[in-house]
Amino acid sequence: GAGVSQSPSNKVTEKGKDVELRCDPISGHTALYWYRQSLGQGLEFLIYFQGNSAPDKSGLPSDRFSAERTGGSVSTLTIQRTQQEDSAVYLCASNPFGITGELFFGEGSRLTVL
Amino acid sequence: KQEVTQIPAALSVPEGENLVLNCSFTDSAIYNLQWFRQDPGKGLTSLLLIQSSQREQTSGRLNASLDKSSGRSTLYIAASQPGDSATYLCAVRPVGDYKLSFGAGTTVTVRA
Repeated sequence: GAGVSQSPSNKVTEKGKDVELRCDPISGHTALYWYRQSLGQGLEFLIYFQGNSAPDKSGLPSDRFSAERTGGSVSTLTIQRTQQEDSAVYLCASNPFGITGELFFGEGSRLTVL
Repeated sequence: KQEVTQIPAALSVPEGENLVLNCSFTDSAIYNLQWFRQDPGKGLTSLLLIQSSQREQTSGRLNASLDKSSGRSTLYIAASQPGDSATYLCAVRPVGDYKLSFGAGTTVTVRA
């Protein structure tokens, strides 16, 4: 596609429910990142994929968070048993040349946990 | 650990004035530095990418400089317009790391 696409753009859920956030990177981009931006806060790194492998999961805040990437393309971030502190904007980004290329972000998925 | 600082946190200027946004980082071992723009409720839009071997990059009214040895980058926006109002973030990619280290951003308001 023309840009990084994320869905849903907005998600409201009840505490304790599971949610899935989807990222469709720019075609051909091998590297994919998930970041989180809480209200008034900076960007928090969650996970990095090179192809389908995730060499760096160091930013996942708890074992309720998981992510996968299939076919070197679409990625899904899953949050189980959501908590109110999970409310944030989840941003996905991709780049074409591994770790030295320009990073392109999607519009984000805004998650609100009631 | 790489620390990225952006000063000031907020800036308000009248239309037509040139904008100067500062970014500093603590470790000069970087692959590149990237400037982004973020509008409220939106994702990040890439403005300029400067590789570590470069001193500056230009795109239209935007010019970014990089002084890697002193750990500084400056984003200049010429002849500011109300549409330039946004938060501007800089990020560095440290050598040996996959992820970018972001500054907290400078929120710019251009008054008509």
